[in-house]
Formats: sequence, structure tokens, C-alpha cells
Amino acid sequence: DGGITQSPKYLFRKEGQNVTLSCEQNLNHDAMYWYRQDPGQGLRLIYYSQIVNDFQKGDIAEGYSVSREKKESFPLTVTSAQKNPTAFYLCASSILARGDTQYFGPGTRLTVL
Amino acid sequence: GQQLNQSPQSMFIQEGEDVSMNCTSSSIFNTWLWYKQEPGEGPVLLIALYKAGELTSNGRLTAQFGITRKDSFLNISASIPSDVGIYFCAGQLKETSYDKVIFGPGTSLSVIP
Repeated sequence: DGGITQSPKYLFRKEGQNVTLSCEQNLNHDAMYWYRQDPGQGLRLIYYSQIVNDFQKGDIAEGYSVSREKKESFPLTVTSAQKNPTAFYLCASSILARGDTQYFGPGTRLTVL
Repeated sequence: GQQLNQSPQSMFIQEGEDVSMNCTSSSIFNTWLWYKQEPGEGPVLLIALYKAGELTSNGRLTAQFGITRKDSFLNISASIPSDVGIYFCAGQLKETSYDKVIFGPGTSLSVIP
């Protein structure tokens, strides 16, 4: 089945540690995205990538980093520089330049203790 | 920057009732999207609207793209318990080569059997 997988579903980390969230898609989509979701707020764009080895900052990129070495994979690292990292993180992918075709993964809930 | 407002923020309705929610913005969008998110999952696209004035249905769901291109509404007829979730509107606009998608804060729907 085609889709997007994110792992793990729940993640706990101590303050000051970097943590990497996984996102894999087998939809053959060129574009991939990372969003952050906080209670009562809409999704906010962290980073996006339109092709392999290229990515752009979104609206809230500070304290995060990404890589896009393979078309299928777009891991997100939450660094210790992120002031308030506890949130629900959603990965999405789409056909290039068709943001209206975004498919979302099931999300990873990160809790920093 | 662009911002979307959704109302109501939350709704509690009886099973069988019709539901209406809307999304407004001070910005003009090329596309309006409506997503549903169930607890602990990623959003799923319900309806996409591409032209001002467009009225589109998907089963019991009906959505319209406002004439001014600054608003959209979603109606759900004869609600059932599985309609429970958070409904997000999203507006899409072209920003250089990237189709930026802005998400509203969501309307939380609870259906009482």
C-alpha cells in the first residue's frame, strides 16, 4: 500500500537532547513537508523540500534541521536550540508544486521532559 | 502574514443534526481545502475547491469557495458519531515556485449519540 509512515508514534526525550523524527513515503512524491501542531492552533510549516538535496525553511524553522538525501525520506531533527519542542509533528508529501495534493502521515508526538 | 480564522472553535451537536462551519481570511487564496483530523492521526483531505463560487459535495459534506476568494464554508448533513474530529480549512496561494498552504486553527466537532 502507498502512504507515509512516521516513527515512532510517541517519543520522550530529556531537555537538551537532540532527537530525530523519521518520515518515509512510497508515493513517489517529489515534495515533502514538516509541520508542527500545538493544541488549538493550525499546522505551522517547519521545513519543506521540493527535490532531493534541496530544502527550504518554513515559518518556524528555528531550532530544527532536516535532510533530503533520498526522495523517499525526509527526517526532522529537533535540536536543543528549540525552546518549546513538545508538540505533535506531522510529515506530508505531495506532487511537486501541488500543495493541494498533500498526504499526511500519522504524526509523532514528542514530549520533552 | 496570512492568517485564517475558523468559527466556531468547537461544536457539540446531536446525532442527525446538520453542521455548518466557516473559514475567513483577509487574504485572497487560489485554492481552499478542507481537512478532517481524528485524534492522534494526520489530517485527511475532504474537499478541494479551485474556483471562486465553486460548490462541491463529497457524500454528506458540501463546501463552497467564497466569491471574494477570502472565505469558505463546510456543511455536514445528518451528522453521525464518526464525524467527530477537528476540521481544518486551508488556503493555498502561489509563492514563487512553492504552493504555500496556510491552515486555520480548526473547528472541533463532537457528536452526541
